[in-house]
Amino acid sequence: GIQVEQSPPDLILQEGANSTLRCNFSDSVNNLQWFHQNPWGQLINLFYIPSGTKQNGRLSATTVATERYSLLYISSSQTTDSGVYFCAVYDGQNFVFGPGTRLSVLP
Amino acid sequence: KAGVTQTPRYLIKTRGQQVTLSCSPISGHRSVSWYQQTPGQGLQFLFEYFSETQRNKGNFPGRFSGRQFSNSRSEMNVSTLELGDSALYLCASSFGDRAYEQYFGPGTRLTVT
Repeated sequence: GIQVEQSPPDLILQEGANSTLRCNFSDSVNNLQWFHQNPWGQLINLFYIPSGTKQNGRLSATTVATERYSLLYISSSQTTDSGVYFCAVYDGQNFVFGPGTRLSVLP
Repeated sequence: KAGVTQTPRYLIKTRGQQVTLSCSPISGHRSVSWYQQTPGQGLQFLFEYFSETQRNKGNFPGRFSGRQFSNSRSEMNVSTLELGDSALYLCASSFGDRAYEQYFGPGTRLTVT
């Protein structure tokens, strides 16, 4: 089945810093989503982005489907950005989550 | 519009008991998927229902089952609970299949003692 990797596994930032999270996948996909899991476990939708580039405030994402990776950019990070970021992909049969990137933003 | 809701939010059960969890999708969504999240295994797919039919099933034992009703609400059942079933159970709804954007509920945290 499709494999999903995320890097880095852990990231510690000072408030105000920028960061880039990466998601690599092993096969072509019909769906790619980025989620932020808050401390209570809720998965919050960030982007639905099987290809192309999207922006939403301080966050933006780019998926290069032909090269099988996606990037999530966080600018001017805030303490409320802390949590785990997951990418998930759908290959037509399986919706598979990556292992996540745990982000800690320090005040 | 209202998001995905799950009940109950927290549950404590004893080994050997059974449990039923409920998920109400976003209005108009016909697909409901269930996932198990544990610290060791991450987020794993359990099953997907669309128009009352199970379309896909993950690699879980037969103790895990589910169903979907005509109003798209879904339930999952775990029989003969084991300690390893302690997890956060998440459901997601989407308009069509999982190529569509998935929206997740807040989850049910199950503890088996």
